[in-house]
Amino acid sequence: DAKTTQPDSMESTEGETVHLPCSHATISGNEYIYWYRQVPLQGPEYVTHGLQQNTTNSMAFLAIASDRKSSTLILTHVSLRDAAVYHCILRRGGSAKLIFGEGTKLTVSS
Amino acid sequence: EAAVTQSPRSKVAVTGGKVTLSCHQTNNHDYMYWYRQDTGHGLRLIHYSYVADSTEKGDIPDGYKASRPSQENFSLILELASLSQTAVYFCASSDGPGLSNERLFFGHGTKLSVL
Repeated sequence: DAKTTQPDSMESTEGETVHLPCSHATISGNEYIYWYRQVPLQGPEYVTHGLQQNTTNSMAFLAIASDRKSSTLILTHVSLRDAAVYHCILRRGGSAKLIFGEGTKLTVSS
Repeated sequence: EAAVTQSPRSKVAVTGGKVTLSCHQTNNHDYMYWYRQDTGHGLRLIHYSYVADSTEKGDIPDGYKASRPSQENFSLILELASLSQTAVYFCASSDGPGLSNERLFFGHGTKLSVL
């Protein structure tokens, strides 16, 4: 299974737009890109996912490079509640396994 | 909203003792999972199940057993707890990896300390 690479930490200020990068250079054609976030003392929470096309929902915009070797999770107008560890994960279609990395710790200041 | 509840929320166990962690879901999901998380690290899959009375090994199954007596319940069993099993354990459920829109719903976790 392909692995992902993320920066250990990023900082932002309330109201800003944050771009969280993820590299997955060895991704396979049938692997989905998932993003989950986790705050202390809680389980991970689903944010978004995609295969090839950019996707958007109420939580975030996911931009996927045309060669699929990288992706960026874009959070607009961040608030203190967006402070969390953001995990970029790959899941092979039909596989039950999600491979978590250590994620990016996003700090949001007021 | 989907719900996955774990019990207990925290537990202290002695080395060599038996520990059972329980998970209950009200999502009507077929798949259930057990992950462990060590401080400052990502989650690793221990066992999962896609139907009652059947379990599958994940990436780190050694030292753990799992039990799925019903669709709603999934237990993780440590027959002989060891210090290295000190971690936070998360249960999750999902509709299944065959769906393109699959998403996992996680419980709040069980903090296990083995002394």
